Amino acid sequence: GDSVTQMEGPVTLSEEAFLTINCTYTATGYPSLFWYVQYPGEGLQLLLKATKADDKGSNKGFEATYRKETTSFHLEKGSVQVSDSAVYFCALYTQGGSEKLVFGKGMKLTVNP
Amino acid sequence: DSGVTQTPKHLITATGQRVTLRCSPRSGDLSVYWYQQSLDQGLQFLIQYYNGEERAKGNILERFSAQQFPDLHSELNLSSLELGDSALYFCASSARQGPEKLFFGSGTQLSVL
Repeated sequence: GDSVTQMEGPVTLSEEAFLTINCTYTATGYPSLFWYVQYPGEGLQLLLKATKADDKGSNKGFEATYRKETTSFHLEKGSVQVSDSAVYFCALYTQGGSEKLVFGKGMKLTVNP
Repeated sequence: DSGVTQTPKHLITATGQRVTLRCSPRSGDLSVYWYQQSLDQGLQFLIQYYNGEERAKGNILERFSAQQFPDLHSELNLSSLELGDSALYFCASSARQGPEKLFFGSGTQLSVL
């Protein structure tokens, strides 16, 4: 079945550091890929998405590129802020497949001033 | 604020009991999803309803059931509770049948003692 594997944390960075969170996937069809973010005490929010190969999703300084050849969707940000402290989830959805949004286990990021 | 309302925010109960979690989707959204989040299992999809009908089923136990009412709010019923059912239960809604963009509530924290 469809699955998502993402690097597990927790990860602690200093403000203005570069961030990469790895995500790879396995899917029976042609999935859409997502990054969701969960701030402390809140529900998940969609951060960005990409629906086809080589698409780049971006939002709030975060970027991720849909790489079909490596089945990856790594999340990057050039300079993190304290306010980026959260749990980040990679997810996929295959229309006509399992018809559900499948999440990775999440990675907790803490950014220190 | 995602526009998705979940009640109650916290629930403490004993093993063997039954509880009901409630979710009001964003205005106009027809789909409601239920997810269970725990430290060991991560975010697990339970069930989806679209316009009152069950559309997709995930890892939902037989002791759990859900429904979506004509006003589109949804309830998740958990019965014969066990210690392992302690988790954060999220509801999410979307405008379409597919989970291309989900809006999550802030969750119900269930503690089974």
